[in-house]
Amino acid sequence: ETGVTQTPRHLVMGMTNKKSLKCEQHLGHNAMYWYKQSAKKPLELMFVYSLEERVENNSVPSRFSPECPNSSHLFLHLHTLQPEDSALYLCASSQEADYNSPLHFGNGTRLTVT
Amino acid sequence: QQPVQSPQAVILREGEDAVINCSSSKALYSVHWYRQKHGEAPVFLMILLKGGEQMRHEKISASFNEKKQQSSLYLTASQLSYSGTYFCGTERAYAGNMLTFGGGTRLMVKP
Repeated sequence: ETGVTQTPRHLVMGMTNKKSLKCEQHLGHNAMYWYKQSAKKPLELMFVYSLEERVENNSVPSRFSPECPNSSHLFLHLHTLQPEDSALYLCASSQEADYNSPLHFGNGTRLTVT
Repeated sequence: QQPVQSPQAVILREGEDAVINCSSSKALYSVHWYRQKHGEAPVFLMILLKGGEQMRHEKISASFNEKKQQSSLYLTASQLSYSGTYFCGTERAYAGNMLTFGGGTRLMVKP
């Protein structure tokens, strides 16, 4: 079983839809992250949670809404998205949201907004 | 501000060596290196710490020059399995694990 599991792997949604991305980590880590990976752009940090508390919100539009009910689960709720939001959304976890903690990534959800 | 990686892409023959650089205009606390194969998750390779030693992962090693705010990844005697995109992620002081990633270096190793 992989350490960080993301579902679904692929998602196509219209601009008026509401959907959620799910991430689950089985590594006993205390911090979880959402990253956005667009074509020809660097990985962009969106949200960071440490012990279920949000510690970083990197000026992400409000149409993206994260939720971290416990240290093993992380959600990204999507609504009224734009075509430019199409990207690979990667979830990651680390032992702590602190220095020197390697990130363990999931395989991502490939999102297409039509 | 994101770090700058160079080169953007490199093609090697199996057994050849390569160097990938990661430079920042900001003072850094540490540099992480990750490799991502097509359609897969990025995988952690190593962390270079300020004042720390050169690190190694199999035949891949890296260094961190604090004065230049630059890290270099050295791929020695490259193998086909080294193909992928290499990303550096930088941590600034007082920013915890909030990595800022470079644009990536695409490495292709051919037989």
